[in-house]
Amino acid sequence: NAGVTQTPKFQVLKTGQSMTLQCAQDMNHNSMYWYRQDPGMGLRLIYYSASEGTTDKGEVPNGYNVSRLNKREFSLRLESAAPSQTSVYFCASSERNWGRGGSYNEQFFGPGTRLTVL
Amino acid sequence: GQSLEQPSEVTAVEGAIVQINCTYQTSGFYGLSWYQQHDGGAPTFLSYNALDGLEETGRFSSFLSRSDSYGYLLLQELQMKDSASYFCAVTLWASGYSTLTFGKGTMLLVSP
Repeated sequence: NAGVTQTPKFQVLKTGQSMTLQCAQDMNHNSMYWYRQDPGMGLRLIYYSASEGTTDKGEVPNGYNVSRLNKREFSLRLESAAPSQTSVYFCASSERNWGRGGSYNEQFFGPGTRLTVL
Repeated sequence: GQSLEQPSEVTAVEGAIVQINCTYQTSGFYGLSWYQQHDGGAPTFLSYNALDGLEETGRFSSFLSRSDSYGYLLLQELQMKDSASYFCAVTLWASGYSTLTFGKGTMLLVSP
C-alpha cells in the first residue's frame, strides 16, 4: 500500500497563476483533509471531506477550493495564487480507531507539496 | 475558538527523559492526540487520550487531565532519532465528524 500520495512534490508559481494539488489514498478511508504548514504555525486545516460527496471549510479556507473526486481522491485548487499561499501543503486521510474512552480518528499524512508563490 | 500552547523547543541528551507539555482552550473537546514530524517529513500519529490518566506505548507515554485542560508527552530513553517536532492536537466533533486542531509544535533536540 502506498498510503497517502501527493503530487507534485515541489511547485513554483507566479502571483495570479492557478494550480491544483492532487491527493490520493489507498486505505479506503472515508475522511480526507488538507492542511498548510508555515514555519512556527503548526498545521492549519484548510478544508476537509468527512465522506465522499461532502466538503467543509476548516480554519483557513480563503483562496482555496476543493473537490472530493471519489473516495480515493481529494484535490486542492488555488485559483489565483498569492505570495501568502507560499507554504507546505499536507493531505491526510483518517480511519476510526477504538481506545480507552471511545473512538478516535488517526490521521495519515502524505509527504507534502512545497509551494512557492513569487 | 481553539488555542493550544506548547513550548517551542526542548533540548535533552541521549538516554534522558523529557516531557513536552500542552495546555488547551477549546469548546467541544473530545480528546488529545500527539503527532511526530521529522524535519521535512509527514506527521505521524503517536498517541491519543480521551480519558484522564496515562497511556503508554513503548518508550512514549501520554497523559491527560481534562479538568486542568492539560496534557503531556513523555519520552523515555531518548535516542538521537527522537529529534523531531512534536505536535499536540485536540479532537473536535461537529455534525458527527471529527477534525484536529494542532498546536504550533515543540522541536526536540537530542544531543549525544
